[in-house]
Amino acid sequence: NAGVTQTPKFRVLKTGQSMTLLCAQDMNHEYMYWYRQDPGMGLRLIHYSVGEGTTAKGEVPDGYNVSRLKKQNFLLGLESAAPSQTSVYFCASSYRQGFMNTEAFFGQGTRLTVV
Amino acid sequence: AQSVTQLDSQVPVFEEAPVELRCNYSSSVSVYLFWYVQYPNQGLQLLLKYLSGSTLVKGINGFEAEFNKSQTSFHLRKPSVHISDTAEYFCAVTSRMTTDSWGKLQFGAGTQVVVTP
Repeated sequence: NAGVTQTPKFRVLKTGQSMTLLCAQDMNHEYMYWYRQDPGMGLRLIHYSVGEGTTAKGEVPDGYNVSRLKKQNFLLGLESAAPSQTSVYFCASSYRQGFMNTEAFFGQGTRLTVV
Repeated sequence: AQSVTQLDSQVPVFEEAPVELRCNYSSSVSVYLFWYVQYPNQGLQLLLKYLSGSTLVKGINGFEAEFNKSQTSFHLRKPSVHISDTAEYFCAVTSRMTTDSWGKLQFGAGTQVVVTP
């Protein structure tokens, strides 16, 4: 059982380039998330999805787009990378239990550097 | 609105000493509470969770936490730490879904634990 898998693990981009980060989960979870982690700022939610075909903005959505065409995949796109997007990106998924959202399962992270 | 506050950004502790990491939350509805650990250059791993039942929750690696509804706290403790417990610890909360809320998973800012010999 692979859990949550992120690709790539590392990437260096030049300012203005675009890229897509892929997140795949094999646990049939309804909810998926993209976070960024920066020193001293904890985890900040970029975008999330509560089901296939639906996405919503989190705390820091500017400069990012997402898509969830299949339940198991959640893609994060950077259309025109900026140095401020240098960060470690984490994908996570969780499942619904009744009226409650439960614990999240995390990928290993993608370390992105924009130069 | 829901929020999570971790009261200490960094906690230095000597090996074999006890440690307590403080977490307070605010929510107007029922909550689930979690503690995660992040070792250097790794993803987040669940330490323990409170969903319902006993307010004292035991997790992996000898950690435990106590849910205190009246004080809206969920503090994490370990009676004797090891060097390998050096990591960042995150408290998180989700709340009951309503027509206005999807039960967002909210994280605290994290507490860095540094264990020294």
